[in-house]
Amino acid sequence: EVQLLESGGGLEQPGRSLRLSCVASGLTFSNYAMSWVRQAPGKGLEWVSLIDGGGGTYYADSVKGRFTISRDNSRHTLSLQMNSLRAEDTAVYYCAKGAGNGYGLDYFDYWGQGTLVTVSS
Amino acid sequence: EIVLTQSPGTLPLSPGERATLSCRASQSVNRDYLAWYQQKPGQAPRLLIYGAFSRATGIPDRFSGSGSGTDFTLTISRLEPEDFAVYYCQQYGSSVTFGGGTKVEIK
Repeated sequence: EVQLLESGGGLEQPGRSLRLSCVASGLTFSNYAMSWVRQAPGKGLEWVSLIDGGGGTYYADSVKGRFTISRDNSRHTLSLQMNSLRAEDTAVYYCAKGAGNGYGLDYFDYWGQGTLVTVSS
Repeated sequence: EIVLTQSPGTLPLSPGERATLSCRASQSVNRDYLAWYQQKPGQAPRLLIYGAFSRATGIPDRFSGSGSGTDFTLTISRLEPEDFAVYYCQQYGSSVTFGGGTKVEIK
């Protein structure tokens, strides 16, 4: 059974940094694209970033230049380095597994339960 | 960026009724790379449909997807009590974007 477990969320001040992690189990991690999707309190889903099986990276315009996605296939771990945090980055951040062949953009067939990031002074 | 507009925002229906949800794209979705998700309060989204009309594993056949280009539809043929939730469309043909969601609520 595929499981995704996020960690690293918490309260951080504007302008500071935070690093999220997602540990995956029950799958051949390197074969799949992985993504971060966030949801602000009471709002809809917003795609943040994706890294495909070849290491190609994609970002939403709202986080480009501030966030960096990475993966460690040996540790089955997806990461999101978030710099220059803003109040509008406050959200639950979900880790999601791509359902396709691992290359390029994708839809998502497994999701973690999310980790809450709050940006406030 | 492709903007996805979902309508209606809220859909009040009774169990047993048919639900028709719309997702309109600001430009044509490449290869009809359009997915639908269901989300219940406090839970992660659940994949329902991908490639505009293919049902994901384990999804009941009362859920169906249709459409192409810029206009897509999710239909729930007969609502079950567990189907009252928020539904999102997502395109993955050009970057990735989600629609704003449609809440299917009990009338």
